[in-house]
Amino acid sequence: DIVMTQSPLSLPVTPGEPASISCRSSQSLLHSNGYNCLNWYLQKPGQSPHLLIYLGSNRASGVPDRFSGSGSGTDFTLKISRVEADDVGVYYCMQILQTPITFGQGTRLEIK
Amino acid sequence: EVRLVESGGGLVQPGGSLRLSCAASEFTFSIYWMHWVRQAPGKGLEWVANIKADGSETEYVDSVRGRFTISRDNAKNSLYLQMNSLRVEDTAVYYCARSFNRVLDIWGQGTMVTVSS
Repeated sequence: DIVMTQSPLSLPVTPGEPASISCRSSQSLLHSNGYNCLNWYLQKPGQSPHLLIYLGSNRASGVPDRFSGSGSGTDFTLKISRVEADDVGVYYCMQILQTPITFGQGTRLEIK
Repeated sequence: EVRLVESGGGLVQPGGSLRLSCAASEFTFSIYWMHWVRQAPGKGLEWVANIKADGSETEYVDSVRGRFTISRDNAKNSLYLQMNSLRVEDTAVYYCARSFNRVLDIWGQGTMVTVSS
């Protein structure tokens, strides 16, 4: 199974400041089609997860451009350029290169 | 609005069975792979199973293989998860989600399954 490791697990951020979450996979997520099979999700308190970034670096529909995804192979990063209060919740990376599909442990973003 | 609505959760004793349903609306259900993902109380996300668009292929995480069965009825725009021989550790919120081109893009609101005596 592909193991996904996120850091940090807890991320206190002052509004207006940037934030960054790292996700590393135990093997390359680069598909033969050239895409990285890595997606990012945000689960706000009391809600189901929703898609932020797909295939490594593509923003999902309706996601503010404050959010960006980068990386390739085994190292990926989610960045928020200016954190807002509405960004609180748990962020997950997920690999979908192979089954079982696996998730990172989650990074809890809180507002200072 | 594209929507997935799960139902069928509840309290069941260890060793019991439960059938979850997921109703899809406002999209062409029959062209999408579908998944079940669960989340134990206070824990992270765990993928459970998936099924090909036409229902011809299924895959499971090791911990449920042989106990859970994923199925679908494209005529009814519905996804199912038959859960047998339930264990305490199966207690979780169960989400259905659709995927296309390796992206789980739409998730339901979840249904709670509690396995306890």
